[in-house]
Amino acid sequence: GDSVTQTEGPVTVSESESLIINCTYSATSIAYPNLFWYVRYPGEGLQLLLKVITAGQKGSSRGFEATYNKETTSFHLQKASVQESDSAVYYCALARTGGYKVVFGSGTRLLVSP
Amino acid sequence: GGIITQTPKFLIGQEGQKLTLKCQQNFNHDTMYWYRQDSGKGLRLIYYSITENDLQKGDLSEGYDASREKKSSFSLTVTSAQKNEMAVFLCASTSDRNYAEQFFGPGTRLTVL
Repeated sequence: GDSVTQTEGPVTVSESESLIINCTYSATSIAYPNLFWYVRYPGEGLQLLLKVITAGQKGSSRGFEATYNKETTSFHLQKASVQESDSAVYYCALARTGGYKVVFGSGTRLLVSP
Repeated sequence: GGIITQTPKFLIGQEGQKLTLKCQQNFNHDTMYWYRQDSGKGLRLIYYSITENDLQKGDLSEGYDASREKKSSFSLTVTSAQKNEMAVFLCASTSDRNYAEQFFGPGTRLTVL
């Protein structure tokens, strides 16, 4: 079946440092899945951070970026300079265009220290 | 904008008990989902519904029933609570299946005594 593997947390970085959370996917039934990053901030519900539906494209939101790389089947989340408010749990996910199911990774807890 | 409401926020039950979780959305979305999340793990799909009165099984449907009697509501029943079912249950909805962006509720935390 389809699966998503991401960096096991917690990941701890200091404020203003750079960040990368790795995500790789296996989509045996989907040639070009849609890829997503969701985020859960403390005390809030899970929400979409960014999405990319075309291979080779980059998505960005709130200073985060992720590039859809079909050669390496990866969708790593990066930020050049993190803030304490970025502390949250981040989930990588995939879905098939026109489909209903979304496959989520196990989540990566990010802790940003001041 | 819209909102997804889940009730109750905390649910405590006895082993073997039948328990029902409720979800309401006012997005007017067609598709709704129930996921289970165990501590430190990802979301696993239990049931989803693409329209009123439709039900589709996910990967984790055994031990659960679901009901979608109205477009705005989606209920999940744990048919016989087990001690290893302590988890958070998340409800979600989406209107655009092409990009599958989902909107989530705050969750129901289930504890079985």
